[in-house]
Amino acid sequence: GAVVSQHPSRVICKSGTSVKIECRSLDFQATTMFWYRQFPKQSLMLMATSNEGSKATYEQGVEKDKFLINHASLTLSTLTVTSAHPEDSSFYICSARDPGSNSEAFFGQGTRLTVV
Amino acid sequence: DAKTTQPPSMDCAEGRAANLPCNHSTISGNEYVYWYRQIHSQGPQYIIHGLKNNETNEMASLIITEDRKSSTLILPHATLRDTAVYYCIVRSGNQGGKLIFGQGTELSVKP
Repeated sequence: GAVVSQHPSRVICKSGTSVKIECRSLDFQATTMFWYRQFPKQSLMLMATSNEGSKATYEQGVEKDKFLINHASLTLSTLTVTSAHPEDSSFYICSARDPGSNSEAFFGQGTRLTVV
Repeated sequence: DAKTTQPPSMDCAEGRAANLPCNHSTISGNEYVYWYRQIHSQGPQYIIHGLKNNETNEMASLIITEDRKSSTLILPHATLRDTAVYYCIVRSGNQGGKLIFGQGTELSVKP
C-alpha cells in the first residue's frame, strides 16, 4: 500500500523552542493531509487538515498560531510546534490519502515529542 | 460522521479467531465502515473497509449487518503480533477524508 513517512521519529527540545515535524507521501500525491495528536492511553485526536496551496483547517480548540501547518507541495506537509511547553509533549501523527471518495488513509509512523 | 461504540478490551487465544464488534446505529446511507489498528507507539495501520457487503482481504474479514447498524471485524487466526488497539470508524465518502477516532478496543492475544 501507499507509504507515508514522518520525520523525525523522536525529538527532545527545550521549553520555548520550536520544533518542525515533516510528513511526506512517498508514492502518491496528497492534496490533503491530516495531523493528529495522541496522549498516553488515549485515542488519536484530530488537530487539523492540511490543504496543499491553501490554509490549514483547524479543529475546535486547536491554536493555529501555536501549531503552524504548511503544505507547500503535493507530497509534503509540515507541522511546527512553536514556543513548545512540557504540556505539548505528545505523540504526533500525520496521515494522507490518495484522492478518491472512499480510499483509505495511510499514516506515518508518528513523532514522539518531549519538551523539557 | 456517525459515532461508533466498541468494547474497551478483549482477549483472544493465539491461533483462534478474534471477533471484534462495533456498533454504529446512527450510520447513514453514504457512510463507510473503516477498521484501523494501532500497535503501541506506532501510527495506525489500515485493515479493511466496507459499505454494505461483507469484505475480505489478506488481513481480515468485515461482516456488516443487513441494517448496517453494526459490524464485526474478524481476524481468522490471531497471532501475538495482532495485539493492538482496533478502531472502528464511520466516515462519509465526501467528507474530505478525515477520520475521527473513538476509543477503540484493546485486543490482547495470549499464548
